[in-house]
Amino acid sequence: GNSVTQMEGPVTLSEEAFLTINCTYTATGYPSLFWYVQYPGEGLQLLLKATKADDKGSNKGFEATYRKETTSFHLEKGSVQVSDSAVYFCALSDGSSARQLTFGSGTQLTVLP
Amino acid sequence: GAGVSQSPSNKVTEKGKDVELRCDPISGHTALYWYRQSLGQGLEFLIYFQGNSAPDKSGLPSDRFSAERTGGSVSTLTIQRTQQEDSAVYLCASSLGDRWSGNTIYFGEGSWLTVV
Repeated sequence: GNSVTQMEGPVTLSEEAFLTINCTYTATGYPSLFWYVQYPGEGLQLLLKATKADDKGSNKGFEATYRKETTSFHLEKGSVQVSDSAVYFCALSDGSSARQLTFGSGTQLTVLP
Repeated sequence: GAGVSQSPSNKVTEKGKDVELRCDPISGHTALYWYRQSLGQGLEFLIYFQGNSAPDKSGLPSDRFSAERTGGSVSTLTIQRTQQEDSAVYLCASSLGDRWSGNTIYFGEGSWLTVV
């Protein structure tokens, strides 16, 4: 079955540090890959997505590249801000049985001023 | 409305009571999903509705859980005889259709359920 493995948190960084949150997946078919973000007290929001191999999703300074050869979709940001403090979820949908998202366990990011 | 709306936002209930959680998806979205997020856990799929098709109930953890979607819009998740392990955030989401590729899934802010 499908699964998503995320880097365990919590992650604490200083403002302007470089961020990487690792995500690897197992899936049948050709999945689409997503990063969702949950800010404190808010619902999940789609941060970025990639629908095929070698696609790069980007938004708000965050980037992730769909790597089929390593089955990875690592999230990166060159310079984090305090406002980036949130929980980040990697997720996939399997195009051959596309009825639900499979989520990773989430990574708590705290950015200190 | 502009987004997925869920109610109540917070619910504290006694063990053994029944609870109903409501979700109002984005207008025009045919796909509706319920997920559960337990403390320190990831998101767990519960149930999926797509138009008038039979729902995918494969994620419901027990027969105490059920969900309906009336008129292809509003959905109600019902938990009967609640247990403490049911305490979680229940998230509803909707999207335009069942073709996930390219379709954005929008989540509500969740209903925080605490069973005491």
